[in-house]
Amino acid sequence: DTGVSQDPRHKITKRGQNVTFRCDPISEHNRLYWYRQTLGQGPEFLTYFQNEAQLEKSRLLSDRFSAERPKGSFSTLEIQRTEQGDSAMYLCASSLVGLYTPGELFFGEGSRLTVL
Amino acid sequence: GQNIDQPTEMTATEGAIVQINCTYQTSGFNGLFWYQQHAGEAPTFLSYNVLDGFEEKGRFSSFLSRSKGYSYLLLKELQMKDSASYLCAALDGATNKLIFGTGTLLAVQP
Repeated sequence: DTGVSQDPRHKITKRGQNVTFRCDPISEHNRLYWYRQTLGQGPEFLTYFQNEAQLEKSRLLSDRFSAERPKGSFSTLEIQRTEQGDSAMYLCASSLVGLYTPGELFFGEGSRLTVL
Repeated sequence: GQNIDQPTEMTATEGAIVQINCTYQTSGFNGLFWYQQHAGEAPTFLSYNVLDGFEEKGRFSSFLSRSKGYSYLLLKELQMKDSASYLCAALDGATNKLIFGTGTLLAVQP
């Protein structure tokens, strides 16, 4: 396993269209996170999963955003009716959380969304 | 509430030492991470502190004071490739959620 992979790396779409991003975490990791990052800012937490259960969803996520991790492996983040303010880098990260592991996050390369 | 503060930008000279400070407030605390992020790339892990004191990894070391809600990252023998954004992040103990600061953009000059 070479790490966290995300697809697509870049997406340009018109306002009002739907987009979906996919994340494949490191296989033995039990936690998967989605963050959003805009230029000059740190990553902002969006949501995360413990196996297939979605444990928390940020107030940053409107009803247009939905994330799934159907079998506790890969995850998808869908944005419906995109707006220009959704333009950002969407980062996925995974971690192994256990009694003796701090849960260091390993990030993917990100999916950059541009909404025209 | 949760709040992470770090300087927005810093400049240092090649070969020198630079210290990047971070203060944090979280509802629960289970450790402090430092990540490095080059422009257009994903963040990469640098260090983790959960107990007071220092952690050293080559040219990079980090310090934590839990009582003061304070950490710093120390970079020695600076190289041009160290020009990047350095992200401070606190691990919320209750949710295991990592909360990031805005990052400190370090420019290393010849």
